[in-house]
Amino acid sequence: EVQLVESGGGLVQPGGSLKLSCAASGFTFSGSAMHWVRQASGKGLEWVGRIRSKTNSYGTAYAASVKGRFTISRDDSKNTAYLQMNSLQTEDTAVYYCTSAYCGGDCSLGRYWGQGTLVTVPS
Amino acid sequence: QSALTQPRSVSGSPGQSVTISCTGTSSDFGGYDYVSWYQQYPGKAPKLIIYDVNKRPSGVPDHFSGSKFGNTASLTISGLQAEDEADYYCSSYAGSYTYVFGTGTMVTVL
Repeated sequence: EVQLVESGGGLVQPGGSLKLSCAASGFTFSGSAMHWVRQASGKGLEWVGRIRSKTNSYGTAYAASVKGRFTISRDDSKNTAYLQMNSLQTEDTAVYYCTSAYCGGDCSLGRYWGQGTLVTVPS
Repeated sequence: QSALTQPRSVSGSPGQSVTISCTGTSSDFGGYDYVSWYQQYPGKAPKLIIYDVNKRPSGVPDHFSGSKFGNTASLTISGLQAEDEADYYCSSYAGSYTYVFGTGTMVTVL
């Protein structure tokens, strides 16, 4: 059974940091690009960023809204992806999902999804 | 990168067909066919129902279909069922290592 399980969410003050984890099982994690997507309450989905597979040089890319503040990494030995969030702002408050792609590079995303983890940055 | 434009809501009676559009600029789709569609129930994670414009993952019923012409991708739900009432989102690889989601559409079964 495929599973993506996010953890690490919580309440953090503006300007603070948080690191989310996404533990994967049931599919070839090392061969899949991994994405982070967020959704503010009552709002739509927003792409945050992605990390490619090892064969694609672990390349990372980010949305303009988080570039320079967020960093995505992965540990294939642990089948886990990470989202390090620094300089958090109130507008970063959202449920954060990790999701896998159909390949190790750039292609259709959203093959598998985690249940999401809530990050709250109070005003 | 602006979100792809979807109608805010669409509705239909059971058994009818509805089509949801997902419109952007030529750069929004990046010249690639990496368009996906997702179904999301309230409080739940999105679920993939279409990828690569028109491919269905295993287990997704065939009354969901996708297409793309020019700068518009579309999701058609044929034979609308009560359980199809949900929010639907499109996404696309926009090239230059960026991705974009649609604004989302609420489907109501009358």
